[in-house]
Amino acid sequence: GENVEQHPSTLSVQEGDSAVIKCTYSDSASNYFPWYKQELGKGPQLIIDIRSNVGEKKDQRIAVTLNKTAKHFSLHITETQPEDSAVYFCAASRARGGFKTIFGAGTRLFVKA
Amino acid sequence: DAGITQSPRHKVTETGTPVTLRCHQTENHRYMYWYRQDPGHGLRLIHYSYGVKDTDKGEVSDGYSVSRSKTEDFLLTLESATSSQTSVYFCAALLAGESEQYFGPGTRLTVT
Repeated sequence: GENVEQHPSTLSVQEGDSAVIKCTYSDSASNYFPWYKQELGKGPQLIIDIRSNVGEKKDQRIAVTLNKTAKHFSLHITETQPEDSAVYFCAASRARGGFKTIFGAGTRLFVKA
Repeated sequence: DAGITQSPRHKVTETGTPVTLRCHQTENHRYMYWYRQDPGHGLRLIHYSYGVKDTDKGEVSDGYSVSRSKTEDFLLTLESATSSQTSVYFCAALLAGESEQYFGPGTRLTVT
């Protein structure tokens, strides 16, 4: 069935360093790839997304890249800050059929001050 | 939170009892979703709805049913709760023509 794999499951970086989280997806019909941040005790919140017709998107310290041929996409956080500490989820979905979305297992990011 | 609430927020129940979780939204989202979140599995889709009375199964639908009799409410029912259904349940909603799913605060369900 459809699957999204996410690595690493845990990532610890020093404040100011960069963090990279990688995902692969199996459904070649997926055309929308959101990234969510989940803080303790809260629901996930969208931080950035990318569509299949775009290779890269950036929003301040956050960027996402997509390689459709390889079915890979990645989240890059530069100049990390302690408040970036959270669980991050990648996901893949189709723009049709109710946006049925498959999530990765999550990456717990620790940013050490 | 895009006007999405879940009730109850916490529930402890016994094996074999029926349980209903409620998701309520106030922004006229067309699509609504129920996920469960478990360590090592991320968020897994249980059921989703693309309109009133229109629902479909997700990845882990066995043991769950849903109903959507009006736009603002999406109910998830565990007909006979089992310990494997102990989890945190999240509701999400999506406006027609948009891409971003908005999540509710979650319901922590413990089945003893």
